Amino acid sequence: RKEVEQDPGPFNVPEGATVAFNCTYSNSASQSFFWYRQDCRKEPKLLMSVYSSGNEDGRFTAQLNRASQYISLLIRDSKLSDSATYLCVVNNPSNTGKLIFGQGTTLQVKP
Amino acid sequence: DADVTQTPRNRITKTGKRIMLECSQTKGHDRMYWYRQDPGLGLQLIYYSFDVKDINKGEISDGYSVSRQAQAKFSLSLESAIPNQTALYFCATSEGVGAKTFFGQGTRLTVV
Repeated sequence: RKEVEQDPGPFNVPEGATVAFNCTYSNSASQSFFWYRQDCRKEPKLLMSVYSSGNEDGRFTAQLNRASQYISLLIRDSKLSDSATYLCVVNNPSNTGKLIFGQGTTLQVKP
Repeated sequence: DADVTQTPRNRITKTGKRIMLECSQTKGHDRMYWYRQDPGLGLQLIYYSFDVKDINKGEISDGYSVSRQAQAKFSLSLESAIPNQTALYFCATSEGVGAKTFFGQGTRLTVV
């Protein structure tokens, strides 16, 4: 089983749609969680950290469910510019905080 | 200017050649990393360094070596490149455990 699993997609949605991605992680001791965005052939960039209480940044909402060991990202009112790959990232607490990356979920927003 | 700079950005090399990828950062972070990304796979950690005197192997260190020349510089070497090392390579830095990680723009390496 992969340490961090994501549905690779692609998710094809129309502009204005709401779309949600989920991610599961295997190490229950993980403490830090992030969503990164990666555009084609570019470097990953931090989209948002994920906190236990859930957090929102504009159109983006992240949720963490520790009991079920999954993380979600909700994007409301999708824009064409949201088209990218979204990486779920979890720290590895047994190895001084290294990050473990999911393979990413690809989103394509259509006009 | 980018906070994390990688050189070269693209490189084509022949099997058996030695190649070095360089990374420098202006963020003042102690922690630096080298990752490899292949299509359809998540980023895989090659090596990481938590300070100048601390070098650690990641998940896929075979065939690679690194050098931490200074706090700001961390280079990755392929001593004898092979075709399955064709990939996109990223250098990254972070402040500490659980902290945000910042990536360089990547080096696209092709071994023929």
